[in-house]
Amino acid sequence: GESVGLHLPTLSVQEGDNSIINCAYSNSASDYFIWYKQESGKGPQFIIDIRSNMDKRQGQRVTVLLNKTVKHLSLQIAATQPGDSAVYFCAENTGGFKTIFGAGTRLFVKA
Amino acid sequence: ETGVTQTPRHLVMGMTNKKSLKCEQHLGHNAMYWYKQSAKKPLELMFVYNFKEQTENNSVPSRFSPECPNSSHLFLHLHTLQPEDSALYLCASSQDLGDTQYFGPGTRLTVL
Repeated sequence: GESVGLHLPTLSVQEGDNSIINCAYSNSASDYFIWYKQESGKGPQFIIDIRSNMDKRQGQRVTVLLNKTVKHLSLQIAATQPGDSAVYFCAENTGGFKTIFGAGTRLFVKA
Repeated sequence: ETGVTQTPRHLVMGMTNKKSLKCEQHLGHNAMYWYKQSAKKPLELMFVYNFKEQTENNSVPSRFSPECPNSSHLFLHLHTLQPEDSALYLCASSQDLGDTQYFGPGTRLTVL
């Protein structure tokens, strides 16, 4: 069935290091992928997205990589800062109303 | 701020109470959503509205009743809830169905 999962529930990184958060998806028909950040007490915040006709997209300090062969999505955060501490969700969409969210990975940034 | 507001931010209610959650989006979007977020679980889609019309009821119990009077406002009416309904209820909107969804801050609901 459809599912979006994350390889690790928690990730701890040193401030200044790069972070990589991974996500696996199972629906090969998904053509749109989104990463969200959720800080404590807040709703999910859009970070970056990518469509299936691309394999890489860069934003400010963030890069999303899409490997359709193995149905894998990753979020790379460069020079991780304490403000990056949050739960990160990947999500997939097949073009309809239903966006499927993963359970999330909690990122801890050590000063 | 994402342009999606929710009130109240926190709500404690008894099992026999009736309350309503409110969501307002200032983005000019056509689609609005209600999600339930429980600890350590993925977001659960509850309802979807597109141009004020409900397009999805994801097998949600009738004690949850949505209302969408216009494309900018969405309500979730609560009645005779159960303790297991305690969760963070998130509202989101998107330009159209399938587009990026933008979330409000959520209402933290506790049912006693």
